[in-house]
Amino acid sequence: DAGVIQSPRHEVTEMGQEVTLRCKPISGHNSLFWYRQTMMRGLELLIYFNNNVPIDDSGMPEDRFSAKMPNASFSTLKIQPSEPRDSAVYFCASSSRRDSFTDTQYFGPGTRLTVL
Amino acid sequence: RKEVEQDPGPFNVPEGATVAFNCTYSNSASQSFFWYRQDCRKEPKLLMSVYSSGNEDGRFTAQLNRASQYISLLIRDSKLSDSATYLCVVMRFSGGYNKLIFGAGTRLAVHP
Repeated sequence: DAGVIQSPRHEVTEMGQEVTLRCKPISGHNSLFWYRQTMMRGLELLIYFNNNVPIDDSGMPEDRFSAKMPNASFSTLKIQPSEPRDSAVYFCASSSRRDSFTDTQYFGPGTRLTVL
Repeated sequence: RKEVEQDPGPFNVPEGATVAFNCTYSNSASQSFFWYRQDCRKEPKLLMSVYSSGNEDGRFTAQLNRASQYISLLIRDSKLSDSATYLCVVMRFSGGYNKLIFGAGTRLAVHP
């Protein structure tokens, strides 16, 4: 079975440019999460979607960040304009149930973003 | 103070050694507990859940002490392939859903 798919795997861009990260969750999963990982702050939740609806976006750093989930099989995280401090690994994860105490989140391979 | 705190590491141990990682969490509303493993430049993957009664999976043993808000992971007979970062994770109900809170991770390096 295919796992969570993310693209691109690596992105190098210049400050001020728009960056779009893409995620395809595991088929049948109804929960999708975007995380950011840095050495300084570890793994942080940015936004959580359930059934394509954003439920918790309190972790989105600022208005430069936006996320969408137009359908059950696709989500995007956009940064506009990008800044060097946005450099990090961005992970997408999906899980199958919202209310279970034993939800397992399956992570994609991540997108390593470098903003120069 | 972070909600989930772990030993900073790194732990450098020889093959065959037994190594223990500790983790504390500050929110008593936390309901479920996990250890995730993250290999270098890879994504986190669930290693095992942690139950109050303690649980074992091969060479790995996890323990939870709710009264002390303390979680541990014991690895026996370490293998080179155990080298990775181990993330302590708690789950609590927040904002209408089960949210995972990740510790910063403890790096393990097993050498020949």
